[in-house]
Amino acid sequence: GESVGLHLPTLSVQEGDNSIINCAYSNSASDYFIWYKQESGKGPQFIIDIRSNMDKRQGQRVTVLLNKTVKHLSLQIAATQPGDSAVYFCAENTGRRDSWGKLQFGAGTQVVVTP
Amino acid sequence: DVKVTQSSRYLVKRTGEKVFLECVQDMDHENMFWYRQDPGLGLRLIYFSYDVKMKEKGDIPEGYSVSREKKERFSLILESASTNQTSMYLCASSPGQGLNSPLHFGNGTRLTVT
Repeated sequence: GESVGLHLPTLSVQEGDNSIINCAYSNSASDYFIWYKQESGKGPQFIIDIRSNMDKRQGQRVTVLLNKTVKHLSLQIAATQPGDSAVYFCAENTGRRDSWGKLQFGAGTQVVVTP
Repeated sequence: DVKVTQSSRYLVKRTGEKVFLECVQDMDHENMFWYRQDPGLGLRLIYFSYDVKMKEKGDIPEGYSVSREKKERFSLILESASTNQTSMYLCASSPGQGLNSPLHFGNGTRLTVT
């Protein structure tokens, strides 16, 4: 079946460096993508989203890149801080009425920020 | 800010018990969702609702039911709890219909079935 996945289950990053979290998706009909951050003991928190008519979107210290040709999504975090330590999920939705609102989530990447 | 509140952070229930998980959102969102989260499996959709009184099955509805009598409240029901339903349960809401938008999640209910 079609799914959303992540390349790396754990990413260790030194404080101050940039982080890149990758996500591959297989559903070519997907047109909406979201990145979530989940800290221990909390629910997933929205970080940034991007629609398929865009290649790049920037937020505060974060950038999402979408490459539809290879069905690849990435989240870049600039100047990683200890507070960025969390599990990061990508999610997709096709936008079709029969699947609207039903996000498919990847398994998540644990980001560990070291001093 | 949107607030999604799940009534319990931790629950311990016995096999065969009927379990109710409650979720309330305060932003007048039309859409509400129940997911379960298990290590290595990510989030899986159990049920969702686009409006009051309506519900639709997600990817893993077996063993669960839901109720949405009021717009702000979405309940997940385990008719007869089993040990394989031990999990973290996450409720979420989002606005609008026919338009993709981020889901806003509660902090989860960790259910243990013994």
